[in-house]
Parts: sequence; structure tokens; C-alpha cells
Amino acid sequence: LAKTTQPISMDSYEGQEVNITCSHNNIATNDYITWYQQFPSQGPRFIIQGYKTKVTNEVASLFIPADRKSSTLSLPRVSLSDTAVYYCLVGPTGRRALTFGSGTRLQVQP
Amino acid sequence: EPEVTQTPSHQVTQMGQEVILRCVPISNHLYFYWYRQILGQKVEFLVSFYNNEISEKSEIFDDQFSVERPDGSNFTLKIRSTKLEDSAMYFCASSEAGEYEQFFGPGTRLTVL
Repeated sequence: LAKTTQPISMDSYEGQEVNITCSHNNIATNDYITWYQQFPSQGPRFIIQGYKTKVTNEVASLFIPADRKSSTLSLPRVSLSDTAVYYCLVGPTGRRALTFGSGTRLQVQP
Repeated sequence: EPEVTQTPSHQVTQMGQEVILRCVPISNHLYFYWYRQILGQKVEFLVSFYNNEISEKSEIFDDQFSVERPDGSNFTLKIRSTKLEDSAMYFCASSEAGEYEQFFGPGTRLTVL
């Protein structure tokens, strides 16, 4: 499995755009990049998944450069309720055992 | 919106006792999972289950653990003889196919005294 590296924590203010970058230098050809969000005392929640270029949904955007060695999760105009831990996962889409790292703890201030 | 449910939300037990954690996955999903998260630590994969059998398990999932789908809706995790270090939040998850989008339940907090 590709090792992922992401910042331990980030701070932001309400209304700002937040970009969380994940490094995955040894990503394999058949690996996808997936982001999950976890609120305190809750189970992780799928946010977005991508393979290359840009993916956007109603919650976030995922930017993946051509070499795929990193990816950036972009949260537009965060609110206090976006305070959570964000996990970057890399692996083949058929792999069923999700491997979570330590994630990035995002704290949104008023 | 369909969701994974888990019962109980909190279970307290004595060391050495057996516990059964229950989950109701999303109805049309075919893959079921258990994860655990010790307080302040990472979410760890325990086991995946498909077509009435274990498809993958981690080193954590030793002989003390077992899973079962006793009927068409429930999915259970049994710990035969609990240890103090089994204290954790246990999450059940399900997915439609073997893809990365898994839907997690709210968790059962297991406290072993």
C-alpha cells in the first residue's frame, strides 16, 4: 500500500477555503485516492474519490496532478461544522480493508 | 437516506466476559466490515465479510473474535473473552461492492473493566 503523509493539524476561520495536501510518492498505477472525514465519536464518512485531474462534488474538490504523487482536498468556505479529522487513503478500488493514517485535524474558528 | 445502525451505543463489561456487538448494514449492500478505534488512535481494520464468509482479516482479529450474519439484516461481532485492551470504539461499515466508499455506523463504545 502506498504510504501517505499529511499535515497533523490545520487551523482556519469560517468562510475560508481550506486545502489539505496529501503526499503519496509510491502510488501504484491502479491506486485511487480517497478522502474520509471523521467527527469526534462518529464513524468516518466518505467525502470524495479520484484517480487523476480534478473531481468535484457537493462537499469538496479533489485535485490530483499528472504525476499523482500528491493530492489536495479543497473545502470551499468552511464552517464550524467542518471541524473534523480528514484522512487521505490510497489503494486499489477493489481493496476492501481501509487503512487509515493519523489524518489531519482541521479546527475551524469563528 | 439509508444508514448503518449499531447497537448498543455503549457497552460496559467485565474482563473475561463475552460481548456481542450488533450492526444492521444498509440493505442492498453486499460487503460488511468491522473496524475499531482505541481512544486517540487510528481507525484499524478488523475484518471484512462477503457471501457469508470472511474475505479478509487483520492481525488484530484473532481467535477471540468472530463475525456472523445470523439473518438477512444483522451483522455481529463477538469477542469471546474480553481483555482490558479491547476497550475501544467499534465501527461497523458496509459497501455495495468491494470499493472504497464504505458507509460507517455510529459505533459502539466498548469499555472493559
